[in-house]
Amino acid sequence: KQEVTQIPAALSVPEGENLVLNCSFTDSAIYNLQWFRQDPGKGLTSLLLIQSSQREQTSGRLNASLDKSSGRSTLYIAASQPGDSATYLCAVSKGTYKYIFGTGTRLKVLA
Amino acid sequence: ETGVTQTPRHLVMGMTNKKSLKCEQHLGHNAMYWYKQSAKKPLELMFVYNFKEQTENNSVPSRFSPECPNSSHLFLHLHTLQPEDSALYLCASSRDDPDRKYGYTFGSGTRLTVV
Repeated sequence: KQEVTQIPAALSVPEGENLVLNCSFTDSAIYNLQWFRQDPGKGLTSLLLIQSSQREQTSGRLNASLDKSSGRSTLYIAASQPGDSATYLCAVSKGTYKYIFGTGTRLKVLA
Repeated sequence: ETGVTQTPRHLVMGMTNKKSLKCEQHLGHNAMYWYKQSAKKPLELMFVYNFKEQTENNSVPSRFSPECPNSSHLFLHLHTLQPEDSALYLCASSRDDPDRKYGYTFGSGTRLTVV
């Protein structure tokens, strides 16, 4: 059974810092991995999707990497801003229509 | 707006009430999902519909009843719920994606409180 773990569970950093969020999964036979952002009480906003054949994806200040063999993905946020404060979730897709989610990392960027 | 709209945004219901959650997507996707998000727990997949056919029911209690009349609309009918069913209910959709290039698009969720 696929399990997805995100470490740390919470993180507080001063504005301007570069930071890394981690996601690990137990079954490396995935189709893709998606990173989401969730603001309090809101839905999920897709940030980046990495297909299983890819190593990384970039969007603006965000860079996500995937190491399928070791069951790990990282989300790198450059020059963090208070507006980046949110919960970040990773999800892995094993089947065509099924994502398994981690519990998320709650990020707070202090001004 | 993501293209996936959920209504209502908030719902308070008694344990003997019957209510429905609605999800509508304008993205031309063919698969729709209900997820439950409780505090400090990962999102839990409840139901999957692909081309209006239910393809997954993740051991969800019968007090939750999904309906998918067409590939753009998804409902979750609720009856005789328990307080522990209070959670954020999220709807998502996806397209037919053999190359796995696309993922889910989520709605904003319905915050359900059972009293």
